[in-house]
Amino acid sequence: DTEVTQTPKHLVMGMTNKKSLKCEQHMGHRAMYWYKQKAKKPPELMFVYSYEKLSINESVPSRFSPECPNSSLLNLHLHALQPEDSALYLCASSLIIAGGPATGELFFGEGSRLTVL
Amino acid sequence: QKEVEQDPGPLSVPEGAIVSLNCTYSNSAFQYFMWYRQYSRKGPELLMYTYSSGNKEDGRFTAQVDKSSKYISLFIRDSQPSDSATYLCAMSTGFQKLVFGTGTRLLVSP
Repeated sequence: DTEVTQTPKHLVMGMTNKKSLKCEQHMGHRAMYWYKQKAKKPPELMFVYSYEKLSINESVPSRFSPECPNSSLLNLHLHALQPEDSALYLCASSLIIAGGPATGELFFGEGSRLTVL
Repeated sequence: QKEVEQDPGPLSVPEGAIVSLNCTYSNSAFQYFMWYRQYSRKGPELLMYTYSSGNKEDGRFTAQVDKSSKYISLFIRDSQPSDSATYLCAMSTGFQKLVFGTGTRLLVSP
């Protein structure tokens, strides 16, 4: 079983809806990530939080709003999405080593499959 | 040229075969090398993690890194139908984001 838990597993929303994706880990990791994955493509980085502070934003549209309330939780707030935003949204966590979070031992959740109508 | 190149496959093999999956890369600053396995509609699962060059073995899986050739490999011995999945290579300098290959889809037939 994955130690990174994501809810909901599936979400269908209209373009005017507001919804949130949630992620939780209890491994003591201080780096948390949001990735977006389209079918038959690798995961694309969206956001990185290090010590609960946003450290990387990969020029993601403002209709995606991340939040890290504490070291175990990561949220992604969704508003006014477009059909092309339909994808698998993956949360991941990792240790922070030598000052940087990106040493690569990421632990992924099972993802939230989002469909925007 | 992409930073990381990986053949998308699919790669079809019979059960029991030795599987070789490979990635090439262009950034000589990469120090950390990973292989992830992703089943359909699931999140990626870390299989192997290697720092710098060399080999690492874990059960039926062996990861090799050749930094002089900028080439990494994952070998799967005695492949099983349950190994059918997409295998993603990934690498990092340590201070920037992880860079993924496109993934190779592996099909192991009984």
